Amino acid sequence: DTEVTQTPKHLVMGMTNKKSLKCEQHMGHRAMYWYKQKAKKPPELMFVYSYEKLSINESVPSRFSPECPNSSLLNLHLHALQPEDSALYLCASSLRTGTGRTGELFFGEGSRLTVL
Amino acid sequence: LAKTTQPISMDSYEGQEVNITCSHNNIATNDYITWYQQFPSQGPRFIIQGYKTKVTNEVASLFIPADRKSSTLSLPRVSLSDTAVYYCLVGDNAGGGADGLTFGKGTHLIIQP
Repeated sequence: DTEVTQTPKHLVMGMTNKKSLKCEQHMGHRAMYWYKQKAKKPPELMFVYSYEKLSINESVPSRFSPECPNSSLLNLHLHALQPEDSALYLCASSLRTGTGRTGELFFGEGSRLTVL
Repeated sequence: LAKTTQPISMDSYEGQEVNITCSHNNIATNDYITWYQQFPSQGPRFIIQGYKTKVTNEVASLFIPADRKSSTLSLPRVSLSDTAVYYCLVGDNAGGGADGLTFGKGTHLIIQP
């Protein structure tokens, strides 16, 4: 299994809603990532988890709350979002982070989020 | 972080070889060079990674000169389905930083019949 699975594929939410995005991989990877991508822009790194611990938060607003319940799962909890948060949210995983070779990032297909 | 510079867009025709160059003048000793391909509304897909000289796989070649300040992704005999955005990333993620995880603006490659 060489896939990163993201659910839901599409999500529409109001600014007062609480929702979550889910990401799952069964490749034994120990690093997982959240990226945000706006239309016609490159993916922007949001969070990095290494061995289930948050290692990087790229100054993301607190209305985005990541969670890594175990080595195969990564969630992104959403609360009180703004319309400008509408974007494609991409999850990725890699064998590891740390010194040496970066290693290949495996991306999911993304969750398309629309905030009304 | 090693900053990368790529052409914003390129055009070519089916059956041609396409070379996309990425400049990374401040590449560090431990940095690797990784290329990804992305189609609209899909996640990026790994193409190839290298450290020096030449790397080849079933879909592309990566040429890295001795000074490593640039790299060239070579796509042989492109087809319409190679129309996509191509990103060059440089880093080694040492110490768990964002190095090697940051996408630049990428190159939008358009293949015509």
